[in-house]
Amino acid sequence: DTAVSQTPKYLVTQMGNDKSIKCEQNLGHDTMYWYKQDSKKFLKIMFSYNNKELIINETVPNRFSPKSPDKAHLNLHINSLELGDSAVYFCASNSPGARGETQYFGPGTRLLVL
Amino acid sequence: GNSVTQMEGPVTLSEEAFLTINCTYTATGYPSLFWYVQYPGEGLQLLLKATKADDKGSNKGFEATYRKETTSFHLEKGSVQVSDSAVYFCALRGSNDYKLSFGAGTTVTVRA
Repeated sequence: DTAVSQTPKYLVTQMGNDKSIKCEQNLGHDTMYWYKQDSKKFLKIMFSYNNKELIINETVPNRFSPKSPDKAHLNLHINSLELGDSAVYFCASNSPGARGETQYFGPGTRLLVL
Repeated sequence: GNSVTQMEGPVTLSEEAFLTINCTYTATGYPSLFWYVQYPGEGLQLLLKATKADDKGSNKGFEATYRKETTSFHLEKGSVQVSDSAVYFCALRGSNDYKLSFGAGTTVTVRA
């Protein structure tokens, strides 16, 4: 009965590789997000999709490409991985129509680029 | 743009001590305000929230009041436990925004 799930939980890979992280939510939400948490715990929005449409695209290298095949899934593909991509990536979801609508977060994917 | 400034840590306390984590914000309009908690090795969980001025959010003994006049949303708990050891994030969602803007996080360690 997991609400927001991410796979994999841990990802260790070499520089230059291409990798994908997957996110699924079973809460019936229509908006999903990717956040990046750096080594100092700072969290920053990367992307957001609403009903499969990209609505937030922050200043992120174009090596990062999100894909939302349907409202319940949001994947993140990263090309040509760099050392600086090492971080924890969190997926979140909500239906933001009401004020203060809570975003629900997944457990995170810990990416280490060697 | 919107931003959140949060008290820097780390904070180390003894059990049953009083905890305050300061949070101030900059935003246009009337944002919604949140406190999230991240336990070691886990994702973020909503701790409490407030959507308008003078609202008080509360949960698990934690409280925070939305103060528009001081643009603040300070988190307090009267008597902390070892299990409260975590990283606490203050966040806001602008009135016309989808995304959350987070503070830098405050690491709290409670010792027995």
